[in-house]
Amino acid sequence: AQSVTQPDIHITVSEGASLELRCNYSYGATPYLFWYVQSPGQGLQLLLKYFSGDTLVQGIKGFEAEFKRSQSSFNLRKPSVHWSDAAEYFCAVVPANQAGTALIFGKGTTLSVSS
Amino acid sequence: DTGVSQDPRHKITKRGQNVTFRCDPISEHNRLYWYRQTLGQGPEFLTYFQNEAQLEKSRLLSDRFSAERPKGSFSTLEIQRTEQGDSAMYLCASSLTGRGTEAFFGQGTRLTVV
Repeated sequence: AQSVTQPDIHITVSEGASLELRCNYSYGATPYLFWYVQSPGQGLQLLLKYFSGDTLVQGIKGFEAEFKRSQSSFNLRKPSVHWSDAAEYFCAVVPANQAGTALIFGKGTTLSVSS
Repeated sequence: DTGVSQDPRHKITKRGQNVTFRCDPISEHNRLYWYRQTLGQGPEFLTYFQNEAQLEKSRLLSDRFSAERPKGSFSTLEIQRTEQGDSAMYLCASSLTGRGTEAFFGQGTRLTVV
């Protein structure tokens, strides 16, 4: 079945430590890939996106993500986490071979940052 | 341009009542989307418009739900005969035409059905 999976429901990272949030997708063709962040009481904000080309994508707030076709993954990384990064992170796709253009989201990963 | 705005931000209603939410997209965006988000879940697609035409509806959008976008500007989402299971955050997003163009989200309307 077509799906977007974020295996980690909740992750706690120390401030200043590195971060990797996992995302796997299950679609026949490589979809368009996105990472969004949602802070409490706020709407979703786009961090970065991948359509094609360079598999390492740079985003806002110091985030990057790497597309790995062989693993059907699009993991989000940050070298040094700040307390303000505590939020909910969503991986999302737009299937490449479907008529619709709506985003399909994973269930999200909650990031907590400890001091 | 102040981004996507949604009104109201919070709504508490009694079961069986009808509710209507409004979304004002970014002015030049011709696509408008509605999503529903429940606790611990990612947003789930409900429906989307291109200009005034409703082009796609999810199976989640039961007969009690209706959405409109008259004149291709703001949109309304109405839920008739609300049920407790309708309690959720309703998110609106807008974008320009194109499969990969960025969707900008509003802050959502939180609905509580008591």
